Amino acid sequence: GQNIDQPTEMTATEGAIVQINCTYQTSGFNGLFWYQQHAGEAPTFLSYNVLDGLEEKGRFSSFLSRSKGYSYLLLKELQMKDSASYLCAGMDSNYQLIWGAGTKLIIKP
Amino acid sequence: IAGITQAPTSQILAAGRRMTLRCTQDMRHNAMYWYRQDLGLGLRLIHYSNTAGTTGKGEVPDGYSVSRANTDDFPLTLASAVPSQTSVYFCASSDGGENTGELFFGEGSRLTVL
Repeated sequence: GQNIDQPTEMTATEGAIVQINCTYQTSGFNGLFWYQQHAGEAPTFLSYNVLDGLEEKGRFSSFLSRSKGYSYLLLKELQMKDSASYLCAGMDSNYQLIWGAGTKLIIKP
Repeated sequence: IAGITQAPTSQILAAGRRMTLRCTQDMRHNAMYWYRQDLGLGLRLIHYSNTAGTTGKGEVPDGYSVSRANTDDFPLTLASAVPSQTSVYFCASSDGGENTGELFFGEGSRLTVL
């Protein structure tokens, strides 16, 4: 079956660094996506990885290891506004997204 | 720039009633999707449309129907609502091709079925 696993909740301190892990099992693979969703709002696209390695975009970076079925989202210099849920999604061979339940990130001052 | 507009934003309805959630996009995206989001679960695909005139079933299509008469509109209909359809519904679109996984979401429609 297809499955995306990520931690339910994480807590970090303002100004620090946090890594949110995601493991995936999909029928075929056409990329790994990360989205941010603030409470009560719509998800917004953060990053896309299809090749192994690290993609950096400002304070946010995303890493992919296809051989391990593993990805992480790295958030640096955490700000209070980064408090949100982070959704990991894998794209299968039919180009359908399989979504994890999301990781709620709580930032403390 | 509106992006994707959903209506209504919130609705309470009695079980057995018919309900249509509206979704309109102004980005001329080919693909559109309906998801439901429930606490503790990932987004689940209900129906999708890769282009105007075509639709397909997602992971949880039972009890729902869609139509795609044109590029911009993708309404979702619950023929006879049941309490298990209480959820937050998100409409999304993408321009397809290499960007298929980069979805643009509407603000959601919170539906409560009593």
